[in-house]
Amino acid sequence: EPEVTQTPSHQVTQMGQEVILRCVPISNHLYFYWYRQILGQKVEFLVSFYNNEISEKSEIFDDQFSVERPDGSNFTLKIRSTKLEDSAMYFCASSEEGQGNSPLHFGNGTRLTVT
Amino acid sequence: GNSVTQMEGPVTLSEEAFLTINCTYTATGYPSLFWYVQYPGEGLQLLLKATKADDKGSNKGFEATYRKETTSFHLEKGSVQVSDSAVYFCALRGYNFNKFYFGSGTKLNVKP
Repeated sequence: EPEVTQTPSHQVTQMGQEVILRCVPISNHLYFYWYRQILGQKVEFLVSFYNNEISEKSEIFDDQFSVERPDGSNFTLKIRSTKLEDSAMYFCASSEEGQGNSPLHFGNGTRLTVT
Repeated sequence: GNSVTQMEGPVTLSEEAFLTINCTYTATGYPSLFWYVQYPGEGLQLLLKATKADDKGSNKGFEATYRKETTSFHLEKGSVQVSDSAVYFCALRGYNFNKFYFGSGTKLNVKP
């Protein structure tokens, strides 16, 4: 069964550094998402992406965050200058359709630790 | 607005016990409803879904019925196993909107 893959599985970085989290969505999916989960807490929406542009973003997704689909397979999340509170598990997801009953398919996540 | 409320955990059960995890929702229009499961160290996996009122989603012995009159989608399983220990998330997605709304998750611990 096709799956969403994320790399790296764990990233440690110092406060103020830039990080790029990488994802390969399922190949025939058109809608891409980033969610994050601070340890033991709720799954929070960050951003959705379709047709090479952001379709929706949350308040968390400020100017320090950006997303990109640099080629036909990768989908990346960049945090420009990391803060301690960015430490979380970041999940990429993709969906065949952009609404209704089409489910999200999640990757296994990247654990980001900011020191 | 749109939101999902789940019962707080953790829920601790003995093997073969009956499981119910409550989920209620608020939504505009007619959302689709989902249950996801997260095993330790892994991402969220779709467990089951229901797309309209009175639909029953089922998978791996779990089931949930879309109840429009009570705006609920409670997860049930007749006989839990140790391997069911995980965090369970209820979620909704609207007919005409993109974003999924997740509940806060309910941790299930099943003891042998």
